[in-house]
Amino acid sequence: GAGVSQSPSNKVTEKGKDVELRCDPISGHTALYWYRQRLGQGLEFLIYFQGNSAPDKSGLPSDRFSAERTGESVSTLTIQRTQQEDSAVYLCASGTYLSNYGYTFGSGTRLTVV
Amino acid sequence: DQQVKQNSPSLSVQEGRISILNCDYTNSMFDYFLWYKKYPAEGPTFLISISSIKDKNEDGRFTVFLNKSAKHLSLHIVPSQPGDSAVYFCAASEDYGGSQGNLIFGKGTKLSVKP
Repeated sequence: GAGVSQSPSNKVTEKGKDVELRCDPISGHTALYWYRQRLGQGLEFLIYFQGNSAPDKSGLPSDRFSAERTGESVSTLTIQRTQQEDSAVYLCASGTYLSNYGYTFGSGTRLTVV
Repeated sequence: DQQVKQNSPSLSVQEGRISILNCDYTNSMFDYFLWYKKYPAEGPTFLISISSIKDKNEDGRFTVFLNKSAKHLSLHIVPSQPGDSAVYFCAASEDYGGSQGNLIFGKGTKLSVKP
């Protein structure tokens, strides 16, 4: 497709369960970001992948959060032992080195932990 | 501690008038600033940006102004249209011209343009 695709679009999970969120970036985009937006808050940086460099994980809020990316393709964000405060919209964005941050965002995954 | 602040959660403007959205920042190392627009149930879309070497950047109806001494930037939309109704996010980075760092976002301002 032409845009960044995220799945699922909505996920309701029970507290304590693990969830996996998927992002398909635009083909050829070397940079991939994960952000989250909790209710009433701005976008919070989580993790950044750039090509084959080591990812910048400085935004991950706890060791329950992890993310992987295979080459310059799909990325998965995994949240283990989910907590209610993990409820948020998780947004993925992709771009190129020269995109000057004009990244393309996906529509997000709305995660609700009950 | 918020490094990028959008102090107005909402703004209502009449169609055809000017919309002014404001953003303040605290980190003097920021040298690149962007505005994103977000419609409900969609991801943010890039709108306009400005580097710290400029004080103004214009793109059609959208103009961003940067006042470095005041650590303040603003987005002007003239004339405002009902289709501009959305949440506008201000974002900043310490890394102009590259993709080496992350963007710090404000909480957003919801703009409503009334016909």
